[in-house]
Amino acid sequence: QKEVEQNSGPLSVPEGAIASLNCTYSDRGSQSFFWYRQYSGKSPELIMSIYSNGDKEDGRFTAQLNKASQYVSLLIRDSQPSDSATYLCAVQRGGADGLTFGKGTHLIIQP
Amino acid sequence: GAVVSQHPSWVICKSGTSVKIECRSLDFQATTMFWYRQFPKQSLMLMATSNEGSKATYEQGVEKDKFLINHASLTLSTLTVTSAHPEDSSFYICSASPGTGSEQYFGPGTRLTVT
Repeated sequence: QKEVEQNSGPLSVPEGAIASLNCTYSDRGSQSFFWYRQYSGKSPELIMSIYSNGDKEDGRFTAQLNKASQYVSLLIRDSQPSDSATYLCAVQRGGADGLTFGKGTHLIIQP
Repeated sequence: GAVVSQHPSWVICKSGTSVKIECRSLDFQATTMFWYRQFPKQSLMLMATSNEGSKATYEQGVEKDKFLINHASLTLSTLTVTSAHPEDSSFYICSASPGTGSEQYFGPGTRLTVT
């Protein structure tokens, strides 16, 4: 059974600091990895996608993937109060497959 | 670009009735659409995958006769919850993909409450 594990939090980070979110997955056949942000009562919004080992940077966000360790992480630099949300890690086995989501990490940025 | 809409955004229905939810890709053609369900304090769970012009593929444990999915065109998929019961109350979210290997874009979701 495919599983995606995340620490549910809440993770509290001071404004301006780096927030570090982690995720592990069980399906070694997973090929695509995503981070979504979800505000309460809203649908997920794509933050980052990563497909190969290493780091991928986009503005204040950096995604890191280590397929050998089955580990994905998201770093948010210069955290802002508006970054406060639940961050969902999702994995995909094949390009035509649906996503398997973790339960999400509730991030709180303290002003 | 890559906008997905859902209608209605929320619906309340009585137990035993059926409810139809529409998912539309507004600015791209979606060869594949996905339906997810999210219960309070839980994550999104994939219910089914629908491909235009073919039968949907349902995840294990999802009743295909209860959750009817139709993907009649490249921009529209519908989910009908038949004979709804209170335990079907949930947040239903669709996503659409322009093609294999492309990212999925999520609709705003439909909150269903069955009384």
